This record gives sequence, C-alpha cells and structure tokens, in this order.
Amino acid sequence: QKEVEQNSGPLSVPEGAIASLNCTYSDRVSQSFFWYRQYSGKSPELIMSIYSNGDKEDGRFTAQLNKASQYVSLLIRDSQPSDSATYLCAVSQGAQKLVFGQGTRLTINP
Amino acid sequence: GAVVSQHPSWVICKSGTSVKIECRSLDFQATTMFWYRQFPKQSLMLMATSNEGSKATYEQGVEKDKFLINHASLTLSTLTVTSAHPEDSSFYICSARDAPLPQHFGDGTRLSIL
Repeated sequence: QKEVEQNSGPLSVPEGAIASLNCTYSDRVSQSFFWYRQYSGKSPELIMSIYSNGDKEDGRFTAQLNKASQYVSLLIRDSQPSDSATYLCAVSQGAQKLVFGQGTRLTINP
Repeated sequence: GAVVSQHPSWVICKSGTSVKIECRSLDFQATTMFWYRQFPKQSLMLMATSNEGSKATYEQGVEKDKFLINHASLTLSTLTVTSAHPEDSSFYICSARDAPLPQHFGDGTRLSIL
C-alpha cells in the first residue's frame, strides 16, 4: 500500500462547478497535510496546509481533514480554467520530509 | 514571502559533464532544504534532505557520490550531478523551509544530458 494515495484522474469538471480532490494516507501519526498545485512543466506551488481535523477555507479553496479516517480532501469552488493542473497531496509525520501522492490531474472545461 | 530561487532553469550538456544547480531562499532563512527529481508524468521523488552546516541525508537508492549536496548557509544549497549521463536527465526541484512552516519550491531545473 502506498503511503499517500490519490486518484490519478484525469478529473474533468465544468467551469463554475465544484472540483473535489481526495487523498488518503497510511501513517496514523501524520501531523501535517498540504495541497500543492503543479502546472505542466512547472514546480509545485503550495495552496493549502491543514493540521487539525475539520475544514479550512482560503478563498475558493477548502481543505478538509479527517484523521480518524486518514483522509484529506480539497474542494475548489467556482472552478476556473486556470485551475486546470495536477494537484499533489503531501503528508508529513512531523519529521522534516514530505511524502507526496501521485497527483490528480484536474481539467476544468469552459 | 517565502520565495525560493533556483538556477539555472535549463541545462543541456554532454555526457560526462558535471552540472551544479543552486537553490536560494530569498526572503527567509531556510533551516532545511530538499532536493527532488521528477520524471515525466510522475510525482516528485525526494533525493535528499540537507540542513545548514550538516551532511545531507540521502534517500534509499540515491547515490551520494553522484549527487553532491552542499548546504553552506541558511540561504543557499547546491546540488552537483557528477559525470552526468542521459539517464540523469530529469526535472530537478529544490524546496526550502523555515521549520515549522511549509516547504516552498524553486522553479526547477530541467536537465538534459546528450
């Protein structure tokens, strides 16, 4: 079992709809959770971090964490074509390094 | 804030050449820097973790004598790919953090070995 799992997609969502991205992790002692966005040919960009159970909202983005279910998600409201990218879920066990999922490729259709 | 600069952005060189890539944190002091490699359509693979003034910690399977990492200051780390061969061609990305804040990534270096 991979340490961090994501559906590789592609996930297609119409413009203006809500895009929902999911991630599960295997290590129960994980403490920090991140969502990075990566455009093709570019490096990852941090868009959300979450550390405690519940929801965290930042503009059109909402991260949700459920440690009991070992599940973290990212919702993108009012999806825009510019949101089309690969979204990487990353988990840290409190040590320094991050463990990345394979990424979900999201396409927003105009 | 949290800007990480990586240089060069693109390198093309002959097999057998050594290539140095720089990673700088521009507006913060990076207690830790990380070096990743990414092949097309794959996720990031951590190569090594470096703390300022200490030897880098390499991930399993990464040759420390081939990928030399130096983290001489709180704002600069370098990765040198020694005697590069075509199979070393990849997208190399550094990241930096001032713990406990999250990692921020440089723009990456696309390395092509002919």
